[in-house]
Amino acid sequence: KQEVTQIPAALSVPEGENLVLNCSFTDSAIYNLQWFRQDPGKGLTSLLLIQSSQREQTSGRLNASLDKSSGRSTLYIAASQPGDSATYLCALRGNTGNQFYFGTGTSLTVIP
Amino acid sequence: DAGVIQSPRHEVTEMGQEVTLRCKPISGHDYLFWYRQTMMRGLELLIYFNNNVPIDDSGMPEDRFSAKMPNASFSTLKIQPSEPRDSAVYFCASTRGTGGHSGNTIYFGEGSWLTVV
Repeated sequence: KQEVTQIPAALSVPEGENLVLNCSFTDSAIYNLQWFRQDPGKGLTSLLLIQSSQREQTSGRLNASLDKSSGRSTLYIAASQPGDSATYLCALRGNTGNQFYFGTGTSLTVIP
Repeated sequence: DAGVIQSPRHEVTEMGQEVTLRCKPISGHDYLFWYRQTMMRGLELLIYFNNNVPIDDSGMPEDRFSAKMPNASFSTLKIQPSEPRDSAVYFCASTRGTGGHSGNTIYFGEGSWLTVV
């Protein structure tokens, strides 16, 4: 069964700093990988989706990479802002079905 | 599209009462998922449907939980009788199948925040 791990569980950085969030997975047979943002009291908002055949996706200050061979994805946030404070989750869609496997998330706090 | 719509947004109920949560997926999506989120266990898949048919309900915690999808635009998750340990956020999500489509982003509703006292 696919295991998805996000370390660290929580991260605090000063405003303006570049940062990397990590997502590790055990089974490389994936259809795609998504990064989500969740604000307190809200649902999950999709940030970036990387297809299995892709290596990275970019949207504004966000860049997500995928390395299936090592079972890793990273979400890079450039020039962090207090508004980036939220929980970030990664999710993998399996090849063999339509299961989505979620990590437990990294809670990010950007300090003004 | 308005996105995935869930109701109620918040519900407080007494132990033993029946709770019904509702979901309207995005039009054209053929997969619908029900998740439960708690601090202790994170996001847990309860059940998912494909073309209104339940495919995997192995995550449904016990017989008190049931889910239906009578048509492509509506699903319900019912808890009867409810217990305090059912207190959680229940999310509905929808997406298209993987065949022939690129992207296949999964979209979440805002969640139904359930408190059982």
